[in-house]
Amino acid sequence: QLQLQESGPGLVKPSETLSLTCNVSGGSISSRNDYWGWIRQSPGKGLEYIGSIYYSGSSYYNPSLKSRVTMSVDTSKNQFFLRLTSVTAADTAVYYCARRGTWLETYYFDSWGQGTLVCVSS
Amino acid sequence: EIVLAQSPGTLSLSPGDRATLSCRASQNVVSHYLAWYQQKPGQAPRLLISGASRRATGIPDRFDGSGSGTDFSLTISRLEPEDFAVYFCQQYASSPITFGQGTRLEIK
Repeated sequence: QLQLQESGPGLVKPSETLSLTCNVSGGSISSRNDYWGWIRQSPGKGLEYIGSIYYSGSSYYNPSLKSRVTMSVDTSKNQFFLRLTSVTAADTAVYYCARRGTWLETYYFDSWGQGTLVCVSS
Repeated sequence: EIVLAQSPGTLSLSPGDRATLSCRASQNVVSHYLAWYQQKPGQAPRLLISGASRRATGIPDRFDGSGSGTDFSLTISRLEPEDFAVYFCQQYASSPITFGQGTRLEIK
């Protein structure tokens, strides 16, 4: 059974960079059927799709965050990563990593990590 | 982007009741590319329905999704105590993927 687990600092200072890791187990991140995504949830904005990455490094970012987001993948460690620069209090949220399919009809998220709370505060 | 409006914001019902949750899209959601999720406190969302009406693996048949175009619904035929949670819809017909703001299903 596929399992995902987020990790990273729970507190980030304003203007700094948020960095999170998602560890994938029970399956290969190099699967051609899978895209790996990040979604965040805050009280004010609900669930917000950040973007997704394929094992090859091909990625898609939500235009609302595109200027500040970078995703990457390490197939040797079965991990993928999120970097969000120039954070503000508005980036405070629970961040989830999740899996979706590669075809448009499978762009729903069927496996999720438990989520990690990131607070932006000085 | 497609904006999803869920209603009602909160639904108060009793175990055994029938629940109907609505998800209305600001634009046509082609090919029924709409999913429903359930989220309980402190947990990640769990996929219930994809393709507007296809139950995910292990989801009981009391959960039924329907709709097309801009109007979709999730019906829970007979509420069990474990069904009281927050429900989200998500469209994946158009980039970026977007979610509704959620409907809270609470015990009356």
